[in-house]
Amino acid sequence: KAGVTQTPRYLIKTRGQQVTLSCSPISGHRSVSWYQQTPGQGLQFLFEYFSETQRNKGNFPGRFSGRQFSNSRSEMNVSTLELGDSALYLCASSLTGGVGGELFFGEGSRLTVL
Amino acid sequence: SQQGEEDPQALSIQEGENATMNCSYKTSINNLQWYRQNSGRGLVHLILIRSNEREKHSGRLRVTLDTSKKSSSLLITASRAADTASYFCATESNAGNMLTFGGGTRLMVKP
Repeated sequence: KAGVTQTPRYLIKTRGQQVTLSCSPISGHRSVSWYQQTPGQGLQFLFEYFSETQRNKGNFPGRFSGRQFSNSRSEMNVSTLELGDSALYLCASSLTGGVGGELFFGEGSRLTVL
Repeated sequence: SQQGEEDPQALSIQEGENATMNCSYKTSINNLQWYRQNSGRGLVHLILIRSNEREKHSGRLRVTLDTSKKSSSLLITASRAADTASYFCATESNAGNMLTFGGGTRLMVKP
């Protein structure tokens, strides 16, 4: 079974631009969540989607948004990029996203904002 | 914000030795999970311990949980160079759907 696939793996943007990251979950998994990892703040929860509905959202500004499609694939978008948005963005999938479920992470998309 | 702190932040040991990492958290939890991350890669789930469990084993891993002290420890026995990685604890509340991660412990196992 293929794992969680994130694209692109690396990208460089400049301040003010916007970026879209993509995540394909493990086949059959309906929950997709996103995390941001930075040296300063560590791993922080962005949002979680299940069956195209956002069920939970972390404490991030409105510039961070996401969506999930009917095939469970998910995208996240960051608009008006700031230098502080440079990070490794990790996507994780699980069967239901319910309590006690194991998360399966992708390799991440490393975003550099210049 | 991070739920907890991990201690130590960095640990260097020789192959064959045991490695112990500690995690503290702040709020009540449904379960606590440990993940491993090789440099710049994704996270890999290691083990989950529920709030009503006190100890759990998986291969060379032993996890303990003390909910009265809001703390957990991960013991890796007979460490190998391949165990070199960062280890994160993550807590999940009864609300589910999200994990709150600690700051991680960077483990280096020297051959």
